[in-house]
Amino acid sequence: GENVEQHPSTLSVQEGDSAVIKCTYSDSASNYFPWYKQELGKRPQLIIDIRSNVGEKKDQRIAVTLNKTAKHFSLHITETQPEDSAVYFCAASMGTGRRALTFGSGTRLQVQP
Amino acid sequence: DTEVTQTPKHLVMGMTNKKSLKCEQHMGHRAMYWYKQKAKKPPELMFVYSYEKLSINESVPSRFSPECPNSSLLNLHLHALQPEDSALYLCASSQERYGQPQHFGDGTRLSIL
Repeated sequence: GENVEQHPSTLSVQEGDSAVIKCTYSDSASNYFPWYKQELGKRPQLIIDIRSNVGEKKDQRIAVTLNKTAKHFSLHITETQPEDSAVYFCAASMGTGRRALTFGSGTRLQVQP
Repeated sequence: DTEVTQTPKHLVMGMTNKKSLKCEQHMGHRAMYWYKQKAKKPPELMFVYSYEKLSINESVPSRFSPECPNSSLLNLHLHALQPEDSALYLCASSQERYGQPQHFGDGTRLSIL
């Protein structure tokens, strides 16, 4: 089955700096890669996603890049703000058949004001 | 506002009790999911329903029994649970086709005494 590894497990940045979180996946059949933000005691919220026919996607301060050959994808947050502090999960799924998500282990991002 | 509604928000039950968790969505999604999330861990898939039929059971113990009475509702029946089953139980839904995001409910925080 699919295995998703996520690094780092914790990340502390100063407000205004950039943050990068990286994930690798094992199954080359995976073709959908969402990122979720989960604040303490709350539900995972989708912040951005990318499909395998696209190399990069951006939404305001958030961007995701995908390298299918290396089976890597990354989340980039620019101009970080204290409200960006949360746990971020990457995930992967196959488009046909098994649509369920396999999650990475999570990154706790702390933005210091 | 969450578009996936879960009830109850909190549940405390003894090991001999029978209870049910409920999930409702009105987005017309035909895929629905149950995940279990322990503290500081990613969500773990339990069950997937596609067009009201169980399509994935991730070897979940039989003390958890899912049910999908119609396209908007998903239940999880609980019986004879163990203390290690204490966790946040998340419901999610998505469109039933390639690369569609999953929308999560706020979850039910379950404590087994």
